[in-house]
Amino acid sequence: QKEVEQNSGPLSVPEGAIASLNCTYSDRGSQSFFWYRQYSGKSPELIMSIYSNGDKEDGRFTAQLNKASQYVSLLIRDSQPSDSATYLCAVRTGGYQKVTFGTGTKLQVIP
Amino acid sequence: GAGVSQSPSNKVTEKGKDVELRCDPISGHTALYWYRQSLGQGLEFLIYFQGNSAPDKSGLPSDRFSAERTGGSVSTLTIQRTQQEDSAVYLCASSFGLEKYTQYFGPGTRLTVL
Repeated sequence: QKEVEQNSGPLSVPEGAIASLNCTYSDRGSQSFFWYRQYSGKSPELIMSIYSNGDKEDGRFTAQLNKASQYVSLLIRDSQPSDSATYLCAVRTGGYQKVTFGTGTKLQVIP
Repeated sequence: GAGVSQSPSNKVTEKGKDVELRCDPISGHTALYWYRQSLGQGLEFLIYFQGNSAPDKSGLPSDRFSAERTGGSVSTLTIQRTQQEDSAVYLCASSFGLEKYTQYFGPGTRLTVL
């Protein structure tokens, strides 16, 4: 079992719709969770971080964490073509500084 | 500088040669990370530094890979006797500290081993 799993996609959504990106992780001791966006040929950039169960909202983005289910998701409301990118889920396990990344989900927002 | 810088941006080398990749973190960032990203793949953790110390070297793929950091700033990733499977983008990230601090990524070095 991979430490951090994501559906590779591509996930296609129409412009203006809600995009839902999902991630599961295997280590119950994980403490910190991150969503990065990576445009083709570019470096990852942080979108959201979440540490506690529940929802965290920032503009059009909402991160959701459920530690019992070992599940973290990212919702993008009012999706725009500029949101088309690969979204990487990253998890840090408590006591360790290593951050494990998923392989990413490619999102395509269709105008 | 304003962000993490890496050099060179591109490196083409022949199989068996040694290469050095450089990372200059954001000023004041004590933590520094190296990752590798192969074409179409996710990020593979290689090593991290807290100050000049590298507590976790478990991600280094083989003993051909080594890294050092001096003065709590610049880091160098060295790959000896490069192989074609070493071809990838090598990304460096830095953060103000560990745990919850955000990692900021550099632009990467694209390494091609012929």
